[in-house]
Amino acid sequence: DQQVKQNSPSLSVQEGRISILNCDYTNSMFDYFLWYKKYPAEGPTFLISISSIKDKNEDGRFTVFLNKSAKHLSLHIVPSQPGDSAVYFCAAKSTSGTYKYIFGTGTRLKVLA
Amino acid sequence: GAGVSQSPSNKVTEKGKDVELRCDPISGHTALYWYRQSLGQGLEFLIYFQGNSAPDKSGLPSDRFSAERTGGSVSTLTIQRTQQEDSAVYLCASSRGQGDGYTFGSGTRLTVV
Repeated sequence: DQQVKQNSPSLSVQEGRISILNCDYTNSMFDYFLWYKKYPAEGPTFLISISSIKDKNEDGRFTVFLNKSAKHLSLHIVPSQPGDSAVYFCAAKSTSGTYKYIFGTGTRLKVLA
Repeated sequence: GAGVSQSPSNKVTEKGKDVELRCDPISGHTALYWYRQSLGQGLEFLIYFQGNSAPDKSGLPSDRFSAERTGGSVSTLTIQRTQQEDSAVYLCASSRGQGDGYTFGSGTRLTVV
């Protein structure tokens, strides 16, 4: 049972345009979400987080939106740069009791120069 | 250390042999996690350590898999009688406390031939 789903395995975007990566979850107890970025042969690195008390969190070119009623979050990257090309994972956890993040299957973003 | 260190970075082993994967977390991080990423899959949780104890081993795929952590620091993941389906990138992460964001190592790519 995949509790965190990233239904788009890959995405190509032109440099300078907006990249939108989507993530859906099924567990209504999840209330804290992270996005990680992974380059080949490296471990995932933390990108941005959002708590369920917010619906938006922004950090430079990266913005995460959370729609609790739809159990959906998205990561917006604008403007996209070739160095953003990587695999992006969303992850979720419940702050009441659990301690491990559940990860999605990842979306490979390719930003075309 | 400054980051999470994993060794070896690559391991090729024959089916049926035992392998040991090592993780050296960030100094002072009490929580340590093992995940794996199989080809085309997301990050699959294996085991979580808080200090030297493992409150959650629910992700270990079979009794061929075991892990230990000593001194609240280094952890070793052991796979006995390896099978081809064990081929994956094994990622270790640590965090300051349970539920905090993770810092991942670069992973060990295990190939069973």
